[in-house]
Amino acid sequence: KAGVTQTPRYLIKTRGQQVTLSCSPISGHRSVSWYQQTPGQGLQFLFEYFSETQRNKGNFPGRFSGRQFSNSRSEMNVSTLELGDSALYLCASSLARSGGETQYFGPGTRLLVL
Amino acid sequence: AQSVTQLDSQVPVFEEAPVELRCNYSSSVSVYLFWYVQYPNQGLQLLLKYLSGSTLVKGINGFEAEFNKSQTSFHLRKPSVHISDTAEYFCAVSDAAGNNRKLIWGLGTSLAVNP
Repeated sequence: KAGVTQTPRYLIKTRGQQVTLSCSPISGHRSVSWYQQTPGQGLQFLFEYFSETQRNKGNFPGRFSGRQFSNSRSEMNVSTLELGDSALYLCASSLARSGGETQYFGPGTRLLVL
Repeated sequence: AQSVTQLDSQVPVFEEAPVELRCNYSSSVSVYLFWYVQYPNQGLQLLLKYLSGSTLVKGINGFEAEFNKSQTSFHLRKPSVHISDTAEYFCAVSDAAGNNRKLIWGLGTSLAVNP
């Protein structure tokens, strides 16, 4: 099976712009979670989507949003970009049958905000 | 609320030596525990996880970890490391109640294996 794919792999934006990142989960996986990784804060949970519904949300401002489509593909959007949004954004997919499941990560999208 | 502390930010070690990467967690509820590895410019890969049962968990690439509930620890070990084990290692926890996939992460330990 193909792994989790994320597009684009790299992005450069300027402050105030918005950005949309895409994640395609492993075939058959119904849950997609998003994480932000920065050198200072490490890995932080953004949100999880399952069956097109947000099931869980981390402590990020409302500028960060996401959605999931009927084929389980997910997008996250960041509006009004700030310098501090520069990070590696990782998505992970899982079967969503139980807790403690393995989450499979994509390679990430590296966002640089200038 | 849960938290994870990885006690060493960097661990240098010589090839073929044993290594232990330390992880402590804090939680008021039962948790699942995970170790992930991140190679340069790659995503995260699961090494092993503890859900229940035997406290000694074996994972991929010769790694193992022991869950110690009384010390709230989940240290990762390998008896003999290779150059290829050089990577960033992350410990994570999730709430064991319900169908929860939110992972709380430690800040990572950078393992540098030297020849």
